[in-house]
Amino acid sequence: DAKTTQPTSMDCAEGRAANLPCNHSTISGNEYVYWYRQIHSQGPQYIIHGLKNNETNEMASLIITEDRKSSTLILPHATLRDTAVYYCIAVMNRDDKIIFGKGTRLHILP
Amino acid sequence: SQTIHQWPATLVQPVGSPLSLECTVEGTSNPNLYWYRQAAGRGLQLLFYSVGIGQISSEVPQNLSASRPQDRQFILSSKKLLLSDSGFYLCAWSVGRGGWDEQFFGPGTRLTVL
Repeated sequence: DAKTTQPTSMDCAEGRAANLPCNHSTISGNEYVYWYRQIHSQGPQYIIHGLKNNETNEMASLIITEDRKSSTLILPHATLRDTAVYYCIAVMNRDDKIIFGKGTRLHILP
Repeated sequence: SQTIHQWPATLVQPVGSPLSLECTVEGTSNPNLYWYRQAAGRGLQLLFYSVGIGQISSEVPQNLSASRPQDRQFILSSKKLLLSDSGFYLCAWSVGRGGWDEQFFGPGTRLTVL
């Protein structure tokens, strides 16, 4: 599966939109981009996923570039409870050797 | 609704001792089950996955093993723990077939090997 790269950490002011980037330049055509987040000492929580089109749900929006080499997770109105590590992964099937990587540690500032 | 349980929540074990971590899922049938490990300062790493009773796939060589004695039970074991086995162990389940699907994670077990 494709390797993804994310910034180590980001800060965002409470109430503002948090935009988390992810690069997946070697992604193949049938690999999905998934986003998870992990609040300290808890299991990861699914946020959103997409293939080609932009996606939106009650938690976030996912913007995927036309060439699919990068994507951005958008939390529209960040709250303190959104402080977590956010993981971007690209996977095709369960046989992929899935490694979440270190993710982006998002700090929401009051 | 589906729920996933892991126990114990925390565990401190001496080097060389055995290990048994248990994961059970309720509210679904024939789930895919996964064991992950998160070492300090590192990302999540897939250790094992299972698509059915007695079917285990290992992703990385190590001194850990997994078993699935029942449809909704997944066990992670070791005969002799190493210091490097310390970490946060997560069990997850999914129900998709034919492709990667959304995984739901349990609360995790924090293992410290001394």
